[in-house]
Parts: sequence; structure tokens; C-alpha cells
Amino acid sequence: DAGVIQSPRHEVTEMGQEVTLRCKPISGHNSLFWYRQTMMRGLELLIYFNNNVPIDDSGMPEDRFSAKMPNASFSTLKIQPSEPRDSAVYFCASSRTSGSRETQYFGPGTRLLVL
Amino acid sequence: AQSVTQLDSQVPVFEEAPVELRCNYSSSVSVYLFWYVQYPNQGLQLLLKYLSGSTLVKGINGFEAEFNKSQTSFHLRKPSVHISDTAEYFCAVSDVQGAQKLVFGQGTRLTINP
Repeated sequence: DAGVIQSPRHEVTEMGQEVTLRCKPISGHNSLFWYRQTMMRGLELLIYFNNNVPIDDSGMPEDRFSAKMPNASFSTLKIQPSEPRDSAVYFCASSRTSGSRETQYFGPGTRLLVL
Repeated sequence: AQSVTQLDSQVPVFEEAPVELRCNYSSSVSVYLFWYVQYPNQGLQLLLKYLSGSTLVKGINGFEAEFNKSQTSFHLRKPSVHISDTAEYFCAVSDVQGAQKLVFGQGTRLTINP
């Protein structure tokens, strides 16, 4: 079975540009999560969806960040405009159901560098 | 709200030596506990989790962890490490009754020396 797929794996952009990160969860999984990993702040949950509906976006840093899940097999995280402090590794994860005991399966991440 | 403290940011050990990675948590409610491993340039992978029952949990790759409610700890152990265990290890908690949100510790980098 394919795991969580993220694209691109690496992104280098200039400050002010729009950045779109993509995620395909594991087939049959109903929950999807976006995390950000930095040296300073560690792993932070940005937003998560259940059945394509955003449940908690309290971790989204500011209005420059937005996430969508138009269907069960695709999600995007968009940063517009990007800033150097957005440089981080962004992970997408999915889980089978919405229970807090469920294992989350992580993608390989997108390494973002904003110059 | 929950919080997780991993007491060691880096742990160097020799190959075939035992290792313990420490994790303490703080929560006013019951929690589930997880250990995830991150190999270089990869996503996180579940090692093991404690949901209920026996406080000693066995996971993949020979790792185990013990839940200690009175100490609010969930330390990870392996009796004999291998070079391939070099990775970053994350302890995490989630609220049993609450939302499906994992709160992670800062991670412990385990380095195995030959």
C-alpha cells in the first residue's frame, strides 16, 4: 500500500511568493493532519480534517496560511505571501478514524526554504 | 491542555549497549501515550503506543516503554541498540476523551557509535 504522499519534497521560493504544498492521504483514511517542524518550535499541529471538514485550525499561524481538503484523497496547504520565518519542514499525516487513540501515518515531508 | 517533556535532547550510546529515552508528561485528564521515530529525511513512524491495560508496551524494532502513572512518565528502552537505531525519537500524548490532537515533545536525538 502506498503511504501518505506529499509534493513537492523540496521547495525554494522568494519572500512574497505563494507556496502550495500538496498531500494525498492513505486510501480509506478519514482524518488528515498538517504539521510544521522547526528547530525552535519542534512539531506543531497546524490544522486537521475529519471527513474533509476542518475541525481545528487553532494552530494555523496567521491569515497567510490556509488549508483545504476538496475530497478524501487530496489536501493543500497554501502560504500567501510567504516569509522567511515560514521556512520549515511541513508534514502531512492521516489516520483511519477520528479517535484520539488512532495511529497517525506521516508523509515524508516538504522542506520549504523562503529566501 | 497537555505538555510533554523529553529530558534529553541528545543521547549518544555505543552499539549493543542498552538505552533509555526519558519522557514525562503533564495533563489534567487521562491520556494516550505514543513514541514515534524519525529517521533522517523521513516522516515520523509509530514505534509503540499505550492505550490501556498492561503498563509495559512492546513495539517494533525491539523497543519497549513503560507507563508510570504516578511518575507521569513513559520512558522508552531498548536492551541492545544497533547502528540503524540512529534517529530522532518523539514522545507524544493525546487526550482520551478529547480531540484527535497529538502533543509532541521536543525530541531526543539518539546517536549510536560503533
